[in-house]
Amino acid sequence: AQSVTQPDIHITVSEGASLELRCNYSYGATPYLFWYVQSPGQGLQLLLKYFSGDTLVQGIKGFEAEFKRSQSSFNLRKPSVHWSDAAEYFCAVRGTGFQKLVFGTGTRLLVSP
Amino acid sequence: DTGVSQDPRHKITKRGQNVTFRCDPISEHNRLYWYRQTLGQGPEFLTYFQNEAQLEKSRLLSDRFSAERPKGSFSTLEIQRTEQGDSAMYLCASSLDGRATDTQYFGPGTRLTVL
Repeated sequence: AQSVTQPDIHITVSEGASLELRCNYSYGATPYLFWYVQSPGQGLQLLLKYFSGDTLVQGIKGFEAEFKRSQSSFNLRKPSVHWSDAAEYFCAVRGTGFQKLVFGTGTRLLVSP
Repeated sequence: DTGVSQDPRHKITKRGQNVTFRCDPISEHNRLYWYRQTLGQGPEFLTYFQNEAQLEKSRLLSDRFSAERPKGSFSTLEIQRTEQGDSAMYLCASSLDGRATDTQYFGPGTRLTVL
């Protein structure tokens, strides 16, 4: 079975500072990995995805993520955070041959002025 | 491409009542998914359809829950005899064809409050 751990429940970052959100997954083979963002009261918007190939993937809104097989991680990064990035971020995994996404519990990002 | 839409956006009901939610997927997407998200948690998979066929159901989907996609387009999720524990955000997603590199796109969700 697949599982995802997001160890940070809340993170506060100053506007303009860099950001890294952690995600660790558990799956026996190479997984498909996703990061979604959810603004208050809203659905989920896809930021980026990894299926294969280059382990550094670029997404929307200036986000990127790096797949590290040896660490079973898929951390999300952004070099300079904007106040509008304040939201909840979810990492998700989908196993090969499976359809359902398995989500982590999310990390709430707060951006301070 | 108008995105995934869900109706209603909010529903307040009393315990024991039945409720029904609707999801309209992105046109030409033949996969449709339902997830449930409770406060402070990530979404949890409930069920999915390929066209009109319901192919997988989670153990979370008790016998009070039923989902349909009668013509392979929109889907409905009905909860009978609602309980306070059913209070959650119900999210719908769709994807094109279920291939390995398929991506699920989510709607805005229906927030259910059971009093």
